[in-house]
Amino acid sequence: QKEVEQNSGPLSVPEGAIASLNCTYSDRGSQSFFWYRQYSGKSPELIMFIYSNGDKEDGRFTAQLNKASQYVSLLIRDSQPSDSATYLCAVKETFGTGTKLQVIP
Amino acid sequence: DADVTQTPRNRITKTGKRIMLECSQTKGHDRMYWYRQDPGLGLRLIYYSFDVKDINKGEISDGYSVSRQAQAKFSLSLESAIPNQTALYFCATSDARVGETQYFGPGTRLLVL
Repeated sequence: QKEVEQNSGPLSVPEGAIASLNCTYSDRGSQSFFWYRQYSGKSPELIMFIYSNGDKEDGRFTAQLNKASQYVSLLIRDSQPSDSATYLCAVKETFGTGTKLQVIP
Repeated sequence: DADVTQTPRNRITKTGKRIMLECSQTKGHDRMYWYRQDPGLGLRLIYYSFDVKDINKGEISDGYSVSRQAQAKFSLSLESAIPNQTALYFCATSDARVGETQYFGPGTRLLVL
């Protein structure tokens, strides 16, 4: 059974700091990886996807993929209180349980 | 109007009742999915459909059935609801032509008494 593992948190960071969210997956043949953000009571929305090893940057967000280590991460630079949410890592249609991020003003 | 809609948004039912959750999309996507979300368990895939004639079981399909009435409509049924089916249910869509990003509906909150 394919698995996607995340630390549930909460991860607390001060405003302006870098938040680092991590995810590991079990299926070595996986090709597509996603990070979704979910505010409390709302539906998940895509932040970034990544298909190739290395880094992919979009504004304050950077996704990192290491297929050899089966590891995906999301970095949020200059964290803002509005970034406080649960971040879901997904490998195709398999989701992790999410990491709750709290950005402290 | 929202691209992915779900009805009802909230539902309370009793054990043993049959209920249907409906999902419609105007995105023109070929793929549709049903998930349930429980605290601490994340999103779990119930069923998915890659086109009208293609229906597949997900991780937790027992106790559920689906119908893909058209490309734009995908319904989830609980034949005989039980309390542990109390959860938040999400429908999602994706377009195989442009990638596998999923677009979620607003969710249906179901309480089975």
